[in-house]
Amino acid sequence: ETGVTQTPRHLVMGMTNKKSLKCEQHLGHNAMYWYKQSAKKPLELMFVYSLEERVENNSVPSRFSPECPNSSHLFLHLHTLQPEDSALYLCASSQDSNSNQPQHFGDGTRLSIL
Amino acid sequence: GENVGLHLPTLSVQEGDNSIINCAYSNSASDYFIWYKQESGKGPQFIIDIRSNMDKRQGQRVTVLLNKTVKHLSLQIAATQPGDSAVYFCAVPTRDNYGQNFVFGPGTRLSVLP
Repeated sequence: ETGVTQTPRHLVMGMTNKKSLKCEQHLGHNAMYWYKQSAKKPLELMFVYSLEERVENNSVPSRFSPECPNSSHLFLHLHTLQPEDSALYLCASSQDSNSNQPQHFGDGTRLSIL
Repeated sequence: GENVGLHLPTLSVQEGDNSIINCAYSNSASDYFIWYKQESGKGPQFIIDIRSNMDKRQGQRVTVLLNKTVKHLSLQIAATQPGDSAVYFCAVPTRDNYGQNFVFGPGTRLSVLP
């Protein structure tokens, strides 16, 4: 039990579809993150939210749209994706976004773009 | 910014032997370091962390060593078991205009041979 739950675990979609990834954390943390993990590449930070406010958008294309309705939930809305967007998308949370504390990860959503 | 790298992308060890996984970082001001383990189909799992005021920290069968002089970090796993097979990567904090985030190494895949 990781404390961070992501759904769905797997998603296959066409380039014209719209879908959303969901993340929920049960750790009482104030910061949440979206990462992209591609084969043989380091984790890439996409978005950071602290106390429900976005504090970083790491030059991510607008076809990825995050939403953080409260400190426990984080969404990643997807539309008009490209084949190179196929990857594992990981959500993480931490106590806050500005101190030396480990991030706790969910098990990710494996996204495949047809 | 911070650059984080590993010396070996793959490592094979005999069951029962000790494993050593290495990580190098570039910013001499880095003051906190984390090791994560990622098993197949799962998200990264926190193993152990160390702050820069220490050069060694031990957990259950794991030891992290920090050499600030050469900016090198290592993870030692004692009596390696089949369940230790996974990708291991280090994470080092970096600061930008938005606050503190982590830079992750590319990972070392540890395979435990029977």
